[in-house]
Amino acid sequence: DQQVKQNSPSLSVQEGRISILNCDYTNSMFDYFLWYKKYPAEGPTFLISISSIKDKNEDGRFTVFLNKSAKHLSLHIVPSQPGDSAVYFCAASANFGNEKLTFGTGTRLTIIP
Amino acid sequence: EAQVTQNPRYLITVTGKKLTVTCSQNMNHEYMSWYRQDPGLGLRQIYYSMNVEVTDKGDVPEGYKVSRKEKRNFPLILESPSPNQTSLYFCASRASGYQETQYFGPGTRLLVL
Repeated sequence: DQQVKQNSPSLSVQEGRISILNCDYTNSMFDYFLWYKKYPAEGPTFLISISSIKDKNEDGRFTVFLNKSAKHLSLHIVPSQPGDSAVYFCAASANFGNEKLTFGTGTRLTIIP
Repeated sequence: EAQVTQNPRYLITVTGKKLTVTCSQNMNHEYMSWYRQDPGLGLRQIYYSMNVEVTDKGDVPEGYKVSRKEKRNFPLILESPSPNQTSLYFCASRASGYQETQYFGPGTRLLVL
């Protein structure tokens, strides 16, 4: 039972345009969400997070949006750069991050120069 | 430099031959965990430890053992590996309650023949 789903295994975006990565969850207890970025032969690294008390969090080119009623979050990257090519995982936790993380299946983002 | 190290990075073994993957962190983190990454399944937690001598099962603990005798080390033991344990394994550590501080190791790719 996949509680966190990323329905797009891959996504290609032109350099300079906006990349939008989507994530859906089913567990209503989840109230803290994170995005991780993973390059080949490396472990995932933390990118950005959002708590359920907010619906948007911004950090430079990265913005995460949370729609609690739809149980949906998205990561926007604008403008996209070649270095953004990586696999992106969304993850969710209950108890405001104090419970274990449940990860999605990942989306491979390719930025086309 | 803050880091999580894993050894070995690559391992080919045969069914039933006991193996240990080591994990060490230099950040004095209380919380450590092991994940496996499989295509279409994302990262799934195998075991975690909230501090020395405190370990608990994650989502997919069958066939694995762990120990936490020292704060910095959290080895993953496969007593009798089977082909379905062929996977990419990640060790991670973080400070208690702070998911954003979670650091992942570089991964260990295991092939069980």
